[in-house]
Amino acid sequence: DADVTQTPRNRITKTGKRIMLECSQTKGHDRMYWYRQDPGLGLRLIYYSFDVKDINKGEISDGYSVSRQAQAKFSLSLESAIPNQTALYFCATSMLGIYTFGSGTRLTVV
Amino acid sequence: GNSVTQMEGPVTLSEEAFLTINCTYTATGYPSLFWYVQYPGEGLQLLLKATKADDKGSNKGFEATYRKETTSFHLEKGSVQVSDSAVYFCALSEGDKIIFGKGTRLHILP
Repeated sequence: DADVTQTPRNRITKTGKRIMLECSQTKGHDRMYWYRQDPGLGLRLIYYSFDVKDINKGEISDGYSVSRQAQAKFSLSLESAIPNQTALYFCATSMLGIYTFGSGTRLTVV
Repeated sequence: GNSVTQMEGPVTLSEEAFLTINCTYTATGYPSLFWYVQYPGEGLQLLLKATKADDKGSNKGFEATYRKETTSFHLEKGSVQVSDSAVYFCALSEGDKIIFGKGTRLHILP
C-alpha cells in the first residue's frame, strides 16, 4: 500500500457542485498539506496542518476548505466548484523537512 | 519573501548526454535546498537535498551543490537515460513549509 493515498484518482464534476478529495497516510507524520498543480505554475499550497487541531491557510485557500479528521486523514473540499479549479491536486506529509506525496487527484470542473 | 527560480523547459536531450538544470534561490537565512522529481502519473518524490552551504546532495547519478555565494543549487547528471524523463522541481525550506519552483520538464530521446 502507498504511504500517502488519495481518492479519487480522477473526478469530473459540474460547476456549483460540492466535492471532497480525501487523503490518508500511514507514515505517522503529524504534518499534512494540500497542493494544486497547474501547467507552468508549479505547486501552490492550499492548506496545511501540523496536527489534528491545527489548520492553516496557504497561498491560494479561497474557494477551498479542509478537515483534519485524525492524524492520518486530511480532506480537501470545494464547496461550490468552478472551472478554474480544474487542476491536479496533491496531498503530502512531512517530517524533518522531507515530504512524501500522494499520486494526485485529477479534478475537472465542467 | 523566499523564492525559487529554475530554468524553463522543456529540456530535450539524447541518451547519455550531460544534464544541467539551473536553479537559483532568494532567501533570508540559510534554508535547506531540495530537488524533487515527478515521473508521469505520479506524485513528487525527493531526489536529493543539501542542508548547508557547500553540501553536495547526490542520488541515482544526480548531484547538486549548495552554493551560497551564487545562491544556486543546479542539478547535474553526467549521462542521462530515457528513464530520467520527468519533471524536476527545485525547492527550499521556509520555516515549516517548502517553496517549490515551477518545474522543468526533461525529455530524453533514445
